[in-house]
Amino acid sequence: EVQLVESGGGLVQPGGSLRISCGASGFSLSNYWMHWVRQGPGKGLVWVSRINSDGSTTNYADSVKGRFTISRDNAKNTLYLQMNSLRAEDTAVYYCARRYCGGGACPEAFDQWGQGTLVSVSS
Amino acid sequence: EIVMTQSPATLSVSPGERATLSCRASQSVSSNLAWYQRKPGQAPRLLIHGASTRATGIPARFSGSGSGTEFTLTISSLQSEDFAVYYCQHYSGWPPTLTFGGGTRVEI
Repeated sequence: EVQLVESGGGLVQPGGSLRISCGASGFSLSNYWMHWVRQGPGKGLVWVSRINSDGSTTNYADSVKGRFTISRDNAKNTLYLQMNSLRAEDTAVYYCARRYCGGGACPEAFDQWGQGTLVSVSS
Repeated sequence: EIVMTQSPATLSVSPGERATLSCRASQSVSSNLAWYQRKPGQAPRLLIHGASTRATGIPARFSGSGSGTEFTLTISSLQSEDFAVYYCQHYSGWPPTLTFGGGTRVEI
């Protein structure tokens, strides 16, 4: 069964750091681009970051650029998001998501999502 | 920044009826548009990409149309399992831009 499981969320003070992880099972992470998407309390889904299949290319939303770092360890089938200089507005459930590839197309859309991990930034 | 606006916020329909959901982009996104279904406590499920292409395993009662700034998701005959929240999402490869709409709740 294809599965993504996030972990590592928690309560952190403003200005603090946290690393969250996403473990993949049922497929080889190395074959897919991966993304992080977040949803703040009472808010919509917001794209955060993406990384290509071998980790050589990364991109970020303007709101997290310079503070967050996406990475991956394909040997461990795990995706990471290192979050530094956290702000209250970073409070959200963070989802990892797999980029869909099918029928000869690989749009920036997501066919597998994790259940999410909650990151709360508060003093 | 491209803004995706979905309407209506809530759609009340009966099983067996047709449901039509709208998504509008603040500027043209060509056909770079996806639709998702999300049920409480579950991850989103990809239904449509490329505005009109069903993802693998998606039933034919789900169809997408539109291009540019106006898009529609149609559920031809609602089944009980289709009551959920539906999101549209714009995407572009470079520069990477992915924006979700606020969602439409389909309820009985």
